[in-house]
Order: sequence, then C-alpha cells, then structure tokens
Amino acid sequence: QLQLQESGPGLVKPSETLSLSCSVSGGSITTGTYFWGWIRQPPGKGLEWIGSMYYRGYTYYNPSLKSRVTISVDTSKNQLSLKVTSVTAADTAVYYCARGPVVRDGAPGFFQDWGQGTLVTVSS
Amino acid sequence: DIQMTQSPSSLSASVGDRVTITCQASHHSSNYLNWYQQKPGKAPKLLIYDASNLETGVPSRFSGSGYGTDFTFTISSLQPEDIATYYCQQYENLPLTFGGGTKVEIK
Repeated sequence: QLQLQESGPGLVKPSETLSLSCSVSGGSITTGTYFWGWIRQPPGKGLEWIGSMYYRGYTYYNPSLKSRVTISVDTSKNQLSLKVTSVTAADTAVYYCARGPVVRDGAPGFFQDWGQGTLVTVSS
Repeated sequence: DIQMTQSPSSLSASVGDRVTITCQASHHSSNYLNWYQQKPGKAPKLLIYDASNLETGVPSRFSGSGYGTDFTFTISSLQPEDIATYYCQQYENLPLTFGGGTKVEIK
C-alpha cells in the first residue's frame, strides 16, 4: 500500500523559502511510469497544481509559480521535495504531494495517490 | 490556461436523490477530465478519470460523462457518506487546472 507523508515547517516568514519533503513508503519513487507532484489548497479555497516530476528528471511547473518553485527527487531517500522562494501570505495553504500515471505525450494527468497534506502558514 | 467552471457551487439534496454536477472547460479538453471527492480535512480522492472511467474501488453510484468542453458528474443515489466537495480537473493542456468545486450537502 503506497503511502505519502508530507513534512516541513508549519510557519514560514514572508520573503523566506518554503521547503517541504514528501516521504514515500510502500513503493519506490523510481518504479513504473509515474509522475510525482505537488498541489496546494489555500484555506477554504480550491486546488492549485504546483508542478510534477518524473524521477528521470522531466519536470513540469505551473507557469504562475515557475519562477519561484523547484521540485526534486532524492531516490536514495525515496523522497520528493518542494521549494518555494520569496513566499508571501498568498502562499499560505495546505500542500499535498501526490502520484499519478504518466499519460499521453509523457505528461502528468491525474493523481491517484495523495498524502494527507501539511498546512504551511506564511506570517511574520 | 484552460479555465474549468463548475456548477453549481453548492447544492443540498436528500438521501437517495440523483445529484448532477457540471464542469465546463474554456477550451476543448477531449476526454481528459477527472473528478475528485474531498471530505473536510482530508486529501482529495480520485473518483473518475478520462471523463467516464471509474477508479478502482469507487462505488458504482458515481459516474461521469462528456467530451470536449462539457462534462457531467452524477451520483445516482446520494448517500450520507457522499457529503463532500467535488472538483473537476483537466489535463488536455498544462498547467493542470481544477474547477472551483461543488459542495454537496444533505437536505
């Protein structure tokens, strides 16, 4: 049974960098044709795709965040990571890591497995 | 970006009712449309992928249809455990985008 667990600071100061990890258990991050990604949800609002990465290095980002976001995979730790620089209050959200199959054209499509999410608040 | 417009934004129905949610894409999205259920305080759960394919383990009272720009999600007989917010999501183009959500409540 695949399990995803997000972790990281719950409070980040404005202008600093938000760093989160997603630990994967019950399966290898390098197994099969899957994309690993991050989705966020501001309190009381809808879902926003941040980006997705295939472990061999193909990475796709939401253009609205691309200049501030880095997604990476540590295969030795079986972990996915997210960094968001120069955060503001608008980055306050529950951050989810998720897995989904590689679909047409080798791109991410949908998310079958999700972590429980972690709330990150940006405040001084 | 492809904008996804869901309607209604909320609805109230009785147990056993048929519930229908619509999702309209701003651009043609083929059948690259998925539906998720999110219960309060929980992560979203994939219910339907590729417009009409039921994810493994999802009850058959959930169904989806549509192609192009207009999609429909249906609960054939609403159950108390179906209280949640439902989101559509397209993958015709990147960035992946979600609808604004439909909150389903019991009357």
